[in-house]
Amino acid sequence: RKEVEQDPGPFNVPEGATVAFNCTYSNSASQSFFWYRQDCRKEPKLLMSVYSSGNEDGRFTAQLNRASQYISLLIRDSKLSDSATYLCVVNLSTLGRLYFGRGTQLTVWP
Amino acid sequence: DGGITQSPKYLFRKEGQNVTLSCEQNLNHDAMYWYRQDPGQGLRLIYYSQIVNDFQKGDIAEGYSVSREKKESFPLTVTSAQKNPTAFYLCASSKREGTDTQYFGPGTRLTVL
Repeated sequence: RKEVEQDPGPFNVPEGATVAFNCTYSNSASQSFFWYRQDCRKEPKLLMSVYSSGNEDGRFTAQLNRASQYISLLIRDSKLSDSATYLCVVNLSTLGRLYFGRGTQLTVWP
Repeated sequence: DGGITQSPKYLFRKEGQNVTLSCEQNLNHDAMYWYRQDPGQGLRLIYYSQIVNDFQKGDIAEGYSVSREKKESFPLTVTSAQKNPTAFYLCASSKREGTDTQYFGPGTRLTVL
């Protein structure tokens, strides 16, 4: 089983749609969780950290489910500019390295 | 402006040549990392460094070498021993190694001719 797994997509949604991505991780002792965004041929950029209680940043909501070992990202009212690849990032042990998922590709069409 | 710079943006190399990719940060971060990304693939860790004069192998270190003589700099050398060097190389840094958020440079695209 891979350390971090994501559905690669692609997800193709119209503007204004709500879309959700899930990511599963293998190590129950993982402590830190992040979502990064990567545009085509660019570097990954931090979108948001994921906290145990869940957190929201504008149209983006991240949640953590420790019992089932997955994190999710919900994007409401999708914009054309949301088109990108979304990377799930997890540390697999206390004070361990970060591991990156392969990413989920999102295309928002007009 | 604080950030991470990588140079060059594009690099072409002939087979059998060594090449060095530059990575500099002025964020005063202790930890620095090198990743490789292939088309449709996730990031794979090549090397990382927690402090000056110390570095550790990642998952795919064979054919690569690094140095960390200064806190701000973490150059990566792609040697002729690396069988498939054509890829997108990303440098990152974090305040400490481990759980802290990593920030990335713009990357270097290496093509072996």
